Amino acid sequence: DAGITQSPRHKVTETGTPVTLRCHQTENHRYMYWYRQDPGHGLRLIHYSYGVKDTDKGEVSDGYSVSRSKTEDFLLTLESATSSQTSVYFCAISESSKYTGELFFGEGSRLTVL
Amino acid sequence: AQTVTQSQPEMSVQEAETVTLSCTYDTSESDYYLFWYKQPPSRQMILVIRQEAYKQQNATENRFSVNFQKAAKSFSLKISDSQLGDAAMYFCAFNEKLTFGTGTRLTIIP
Repeated sequence: DAGITQSPRHKVTETGTPVTLRCHQTENHRYMYWYRQDPGHGLRLIHYSYGVKDTDKGEVSDGYSVSRSKTEDFLLTLESATSSQTSVYFCAISESSKYTGELFFGEGSRLTVL
Repeated sequence: AQTVTQSQPEMSVQEAETVTLSCTYDTSESDYYLFWYKQPPSRQMILVIRQEAYKQQNATENRFSVNFQKAAKSFSLKISDSQLGDAAMYFCAFNEKLTFGTGTRLTIIP
């Protein structure tokens, strides 16, 4: 199994509070991704990174920011959480090009915004 | 805009039988990759099979195979000899913008 750790695995927070989810990998893979999973929508890409300090927006990036200061860590931040951001968040990594490589996923982080 | 469509929210199959999950996509590219991922109740996403668009031969991985129709932009997954452990959500994914379909929940009937 690919070494991907997401933290926290579960979090309940209140509307308006900041939240940071962390993805840590031990595979030294170049590409890292944040997805959210919601019923009826499947997985939707929030942001991705193609190297240290190199990030780009995905399909549903509004309200989210990311940072990657080290190869192994990719942080997802909700500056001011809203109820619409209640979801399960998945981190994924890939070694080769983002278009050809197999994605290895973390176990997910369930976020509830009250 | 959604570029991957899975029209079957739920499917069921008798154990040991064969089932086909459908997926269609939209693209103007000529070279791309398609994937099927499995998400069991444990929530861990696992790659089932991958197809490269420039390869005419359909990909096969043990009991899993695809029917790739490039002109029709169709990418279906066939599971032969279904087993109880195949019960899961199955997602079709397309490498353009790393897009996933909405998933098909597969139930195996003992």
